Amino acid sequence: EAQVTQNPRYLITVTGKKLTVTCSQNMNHEYMSWYRQDPGLGLRQIYYSMNVEVTDKGDVPEGYKVSRKEKRNFPLILESPSPNQTSLYFCASSFSAPPGIGQYFGPGTRLTVT
Amino acid sequence: GQQVMQIPQYQHVQEGEDFTTYCNSSTTLSNIQWYKQRPGGHPVFLIQLVKSGEVKKQKRLTFQFGEAKKNSSLHITATQTTDVGTYFCAGPMNRDDKIIFGKGTRLHILP
Repeated sequence: EAQVTQNPRYLITVTGKKLTVTCSQNMNHEYMSWYRQDPGLGLRQIYYSMNVEVTDKGDVPEGYKVSRKEKRNFPLILESPSPNQTSLYFCASSFSAPPGIGQYFGPGTRLTVT
Repeated sequence: GQQVMQIPQYQHVQEGEDFTTYCNSSTTLSNIQWYKQRPGGHPVFLIQLVKSGEVKKQKRLTFQFGEAKKNSSLHITATQTTDVGTYFCAGPMNRDDKIIFGKGTRLHILP
């Protein structure tokens, strides 16, 4: 089954404790992206990757890091989480850059930073 | 910076009534995509429009892309309870590999 998986689905952590949210897709997609969703603000792109070893900043990259060492995986790293990073996070992938085709979204990771 | 505005933010309709959400970009878009997110779920891709003035239909859903490629609309005919959710439009930013989403229109159906 074609899918994007994220782990963990729920996470409660404390300020400053490094964490990683994993994202994996099994569709051999080139383009992968991370979004955060906040009430009233919609979906905002954090980082995206056009292919292996190619990453770029989205709209709200501050406080986040990503890596793309393999085509299928695109982890999101919060080196020192802060309460303003409490949000619902979605990973997404598409065959090529979004103009070419729609994105598949993962189920989401709800992160709370206290 | 480039913005994608979506209206209305919320819409309550009686089951069977029609529903329309509008998306407006501050700049010309090479394409526009529409997504649906059910309550508690993740966004699901519905359709992409590329051509100026393009109209596409999916059963009761009609999607339009404006002649100037700066606006788009999604129209649902005779809404059903399964249509509940938030509808987002999204378009590429200037370099075509970033994407920006509208804030969405949340549709609530009254039985």
